[in-house]
Amino acid sequence: GAGVSQTPSNKVTEKGKYVELRCDPISGHTALYWYRQSLGQGPEFLIYFQGTGAADDSGLPNDRFFAVRPEGSVSTLKIQRTERGDSAVYLCASSQDGQETQYFGPGTRLLVL
Amino acid sequence: AQKITQTQPGMFVQEKEAVTLDCTYDTSDQSYGLFWYKQPSSGEMIFLIYQGSYDEQNATEGRYSLNFQKARKSANLVISASQLGDSAMYFCAASRSAAGNKLTFGGGTRVLVKP
Repeated sequence: GAGVSQTPSNKVTEKGKYVELRCDPISGHTALYWYRQSLGQGPEFLIYFQGTGAADDSGLPNDRFFAVRPEGSVSTLKIQRTERGDSAVYLCASSQDGQETQYFGPGTRLLVL
Repeated sequence: AQKITQTQPGMFVQEKEAVTLDCTYDTSDQSYGLFWYKQPSSGEMIFLIYQGSYDEQNATEGRYSLNFQKARKSANLVISASQLGDSAMYFCAASRSAAGNKLTFGGGTRVLVKP
């Protein structure tokens, strides 16, 4: 079966621009997570969706970051007024209802020039 | 809050030998889960193994085993019979035991398998 997919795989943008990163979870997985991984570090939690609602957004660094999951499947992470410090790999993961193990996608490498 | 510490930034291991990757954790939760993930140069995080805090037996998955010592708060990963394809970053992670809880990751250990 298909795993978690993320698009684009790479995104280069200029400081101040708006970007959208997309995540398509494993079919049937109700939980979806976003993480950010800076170079040389482990991933850091951003936000968690259960169904359509954001159940935990405590990891979003500031109000420039926003995520949606309108139909309980695909999710979009939106970053406004990008800054060079936003450059990182953005990882998406999903898990089955009631299960703890999270399965990750290949990530989107974001570079803000 | 949870904290994961991986003290080995990098390791070499000879092909076909076993290697142990250290992980210690700090948590105030009574029930928690411990995970190991592999991240090859391609960037994808691959789930390897899971251990629940109340599991009495150490978890095993093929060539991977988790040496869980609850009193010492350690969850070391043992990879037996190393293969060239095992060369990657390895991350230890923890979560509160319930579905939907975020993972807290350590800084990772880079493993390079020598032929």
